[in-house]
Amino acid sequence: KQEVTQIPAALSVPEGENLVLNCSFTDSAIYNLQWFRQDPGKGLTSLLLIQSSQREQTSGRLNASLDKSSGRSTLYIAASQPGDSATYLCAVDNAGNMLTFGGGTRLMVKP
Amino acid sequence: EAGVVQSPRYKIIEKKQPVAFWCNPISGHNTLYWYRQNLGQGPELLIRYENEEAVDDSQLPKDRFSAERLKGVDSTLKIQPAELGDSAVYLCASSLGAANEQFFGPGTRLTVL
Repeated sequence: KQEVTQIPAALSVPEGENLVLNCSFTDSAIYNLQWFRQDPGKGLTSLLLIQSSQREQTSGRLNASLDKSSGRSTLYIAASQPGDSATYLCAVDNAGNMLTFGGGTRLMVKP
Repeated sequence: EAGVVQSPRYKIIEKKQPVAFWCNPISGHNTLYWYRQNLGQGPELLIRYENEEAVDDSQLPKDRFSAERLKGVDSTLKIQPAELGDSAVYLCASSLGAANEQFFGPGTRLTVL
């Protein structure tokens, strides 16, 4: 059974800092890995999707990397802003859209 | 284009009462999912539909939970009777098909007293 772990569980940083969120998974036979953002009381917004054959994806200030062999992914946020404050979730697809989620990292960016 | 729509957004009921959630997926999306998200955790899949067929309901507690997607579009998720441990956010998502990106609705926050 796939298990997804996210570290740290919570993170507080001052505005402008670059930061890295970590995601690890136990079964490397994945179709893809996806990073989501969740604001309080809201649904999930997809940020980046990395196919199993890819090493990284970039969108604006976000960069996600994937090392399938080691079972790891990182989400890099450059020049963080207060508006980046949210919970970030990593999800792994093992069987064609069967997502297994990590517990999330709660990010607070202080002005 | 409208996203995934869910209602109600919030629901408070007493234990042993029934409750139902409704989801309208993005137009043209054949695959629909129901997830449950407990406080401080990631979502967990309850059931997945391909059109009107439930193709994976292994995580659905079938003694009290039921779901339907009669015309392959809207879906309802029902709990009867509700228990205290059912308090959670119930998320609906849809995608064009299996292996496509999933889009999530805002969720229904259920509180069972």
